[in-house]
Amino acid sequence: SYVLTQPPPVSVAPGKTATITCGGSNIGSKSVHWYQQKPGRAPTLVIYEDTERPSGVPERFSASNSGNTATLTISRVDAGDEADYYCQVWDSDSNHVRFGGGTKLTVL
Amino acid sequence: QLVESGGGLVKPGGSLRLSCEAAGFTFSTYGMNWVRQAPGEGLEWVSYISGSTTFTHYADSVKGRFTITRDNAKDSLFLQMNSLRVEDTGVYYCARELTSSGTGWFDPWGQGTLVTVSP
Repeated sequence: SYVLTQPPPVSVAPGKTATITCGGSNIGSKSVHWYQQKPGRAPTLVIYEDTERPSGVPERFSASNSGNTATLTISRVDAGDEADYYCQVWDSDSNHVRFGGGTKLTVL
Repeated sequence: QLVESGGGLVKPGGSLRLSCEAAGFTFSTYGMNWVRQAPGEGLEWVSYISGSTTFTHYADSVKGRFTITRDNAKDSLFLQMNSLRVEDTGVYYCARELTSSGTGWFDPWGQGTLVTVSP
């Protein structure tokens, strides 16, 4: 099965840039989607199709995907960005949806 | 908007039927999914059903025990869960799938319903 690997927790000071990665074999050939989940809440979509932002998501959220790594970047981080972030792909070989294990972002 | 219901406490080997009511979009034109989250853990995709009900897919962990269905006339999605195990415990979310060129993503998600499987 296709495995997505996300790093341990990430900590960043307010106003700085947070980078969260999602590793997978040749993930650059797949479309990657990203979700934000705040404590006790349902996930919400922040990036779809590698780089696209849904309406209402701040421009501070951006992403890229190449080779074996997809990356979510959050610039000018503030306390409201503190959450778990998950990457997701469609595994066409198995007709299964795959999620990464999630990365907890802490704003110092 | 998506609103789940039907969660609760059940013993191992028991059954539950989850429901998800949709509003605000043309339900029958979208594939729908169930995603679950065990306490303190990450997201796990459970099942998918196409808008026309032609296609269904299941995670290996639930295949043969869970059945996804939908009633487009009532804008409702269901998950029949049989032979429940302790490891099925978690919050179950329904989510609408948006698609493009062979990929799909989830937006929006419901608020979730808690399923607890315990002796």
